[in-house]
Amino acid sequence: GENVEQHPSTLSVQEGDSAVIKCTYSDSASNYFPWYKQELGKGPQLIIDIRSNVGEKKDQRIAVTLNKTAKHFSLHITETQPEDSAVYFCAASDTGANSKLTFGKGITLSVRP
Amino acid sequence: DAEITQSPRHKITETGRQVTLACHQTWNHNNMFWYRQDLGHGLRLIHYSYGVQDTNKGEVSDGYSVSRSNTEDLPLTLESAASSQTSVYFCASSPANGREKLFFGSGTQLSVL
Repeated sequence: GENVEQHPSTLSVQEGDSAVIKCTYSDSASNYFPWYKQELGKGPQLIIDIRSNVGEKKDQRIAVTLNKTAKHFSLHITETQPEDSAVYFCAASDTGANSKLTFGKGITLSVRP
Repeated sequence: DAEITQSPRHKITETGRQVTLACHQTWNHNNMFWYRQDLGHGLRLIHYSYGVQDTNKGEVSDGYSVSRSNTEDLPLTLESAASSQTSVYFCASSPANGREKLFFGSGTQLSVL
């Protein structure tokens, strides 16, 4: 089955700097890659997702890039702010009614003011 | 506003007791899911439903059951609670095919003593 790994497990950046969180996946059939942000005491929230027919997607300060050959995808956050501090989960899935979504173990991002 | 709510937010129970966690969504989504979140494991799927009267096992379904009698609710039952089921439980719903674009509730912290 699919195996999704995130690295590093924790990341600390200075406010205003960029942060990059990387994930690798094992199943070449995976074609949908979402990122979820979980703030303390809350449920995960979808912040951006990408499909395998697209190499990059941006939404304001966040972007996701996908390298299908190397089977990895990354979340990029520019101009980080303290409110970006959270746990970030990547996931991978094939599509369809019987698809299986596999989450990584999560990365804790801390933005130092 | 449409939302997904879980209750209770916190629950303490004893080993061997039956426990039911509630999940209610007002988006009219067909797809609903239960995940558990444990340190070092990320999010793992317990059960899911793609519509009324439809239920399916996830990757960690042993000791859990669900029922779907209407679109809005997917209660999760622990038949005989065990200490290994101490965890944070998240319910999610999705308007899309498969497991895309999940909307998560705020979670239930369950402690089995």
